[in-house]
Amino acid sequence: KNEVEQSPQNLTAQEGEFITINCSYSVGISALHWLQQHPGGGIVSLFMLSSGKKKHGRLIATINIQEKHSSLHITASHPRDSAVYICAVKGGKETSGSRLTFGEGTQLTVNP
Amino acid sequence: DGGITQSPKYLFRKEGQNVTLSCEQNLNHDAMYWYRQDPGQGLRLIYYSQIVNDFQKGDIAEGYSVSREKKESFPLTVTSAQKNPTAFYLCASSMGWGTDTQYFGPGTRLTVL
Repeated sequence: KNEVEQSPQNLTAQEGEFITINCSYSVGISALHWLQQHPGGGIVSLFMLSSGKKKHGRLIATINIQEKHSSLHITASHPRDSAVYICAVKGGKETSGSRLTFGEGTQLTVNP
Repeated sequence: DGGITQSPKYLFRKEGQNVTLSCEQNLNHDAMYWYRQDPGQGLRLIYYSQIVNDFQKGDIAEGYSVSREKKESFPLTVTSAQKNPTAFYLCASSMGWGTDTQYFGPGTRLTVL
């Protein structure tokens, strides 16, 4: 079992739909990252959070430390949101220090 | 503009040849990283460098080598000892080791024929 599990692996939505991508992890962490990878391969960091909730535009990220779970929400989805969304966790003191452990990613396709 | 550059975007090599992938950053970041991405798998750490003239093996360092002679440069050599070198390689940097956000380059897709 991977330390970081994402669901779903693939997600297809219609423009305007509300989207949720989930991330569960099995280790103690100090921070969780959500990343976006576009078809060309480049990766952009969307959020880094260690508790609660963060919002940027139409994107919202939440984390529940007790349940070891995070969600990424996209409101009013648009075709330009089509990308791979990656969850990554940074270990706490008892784990691998400051390395990031990555999930396999969720391929999102938003159709017009 | 500040950022990370990787070159080339696509690289083809014959089996048995060593190849070096370039990574340059002008963000004045101390820490740099090399990751490998394969279909259906998460990014895996090959090597990292916390500061110039220092580097450490990551989780899959076998068959790879790096150098960090300059703060802005962290080249990765894929040697002939790497059994399955065809992959997408991503370089990243951060202000310091384990701090804040990692900034990623555009990646190099290496195909070994």
